[in-house]
Amino acid sequence: GESVGLHLPTLSVQEGDNSIINCAYSNSASDYFIWYKQESGKGPQFIIDIRSNMDKRQGQRVTVLLNKTVKHLSLQIAATQPGDSAVYFCAETPISNDYKLSFGAGTTVTVRA
Amino acid sequence: DTGVSQNPRHKITKRGQNVTFRCDPISEHNRLYWYRQTLGQGPEFLTYFQNEAQLEKSRLLSDRFSAERPKGSFSTLEIQRTEQGDSAMYLCASSLGQGNTEAFFGQGTRLTVV
Repeated sequence: GESVGLHLPTLSVQEGDNSIINCAYSNSASDYFIWYKQESGKGPQFIIDIRSNMDKRQGQRVTVLLNKTVKHLSLQIAATQPGDSAVYFCAETPISNDYKLSFGAGTTVTVRA
Repeated sequence: DTGVSQNPRHKITKRGQNVTFRCDPISEHNRLYWYRQTLGQGPEFLTYFQNEAQLEKSRLLSDRFSAERPKGSFSTLEIQRTEQGDSAMYLCASSLGQGNTEAFFGQGTRLTVV
């Protein structure tokens, strides 16, 4: 079936370096993509989103890239900090039923001091 | 703190018992969602409310599960005759509604069925 998934389950990054987290999706009907961050013992926290008519969107220290040709989504975190250590999920939904998010399995990011 | 409150944070229950969880969303949010998350996985959609109306239920939501949002404010999720497979984190989220899809999640209720 169609699903959202991530390339790598874990990522270790040196503090201060840039991080890139990847996600592959297969639902071509998806219109809206979101990245969430989940720290231990907490619920997912919205980071940034992007609509299918865009290929790049920037936030504070984060950039999301969308490549619809290969159905690939990435999250770039600049100057990674210890507080960025968490599990990162990509999620997607079609605009037609934008209440129902489909999440991938997540990438655990560990920041080394 | 996202503004979405869930209680209790943890619940341990014996198999066969009933449990009820509560979610208080952000007050001006029309939409309320329930998700379930098992260890190492992303959240899975269970159901959602637009105000007090429950508009969709996932196939994951068996007959033993029931959710309500009686006045369009707080919501409850009840699981009857709990099974060990119900052990998971139950997450509630809320959002403003159509066209604004940023969902704010609570910290979840972790259910352990023994």
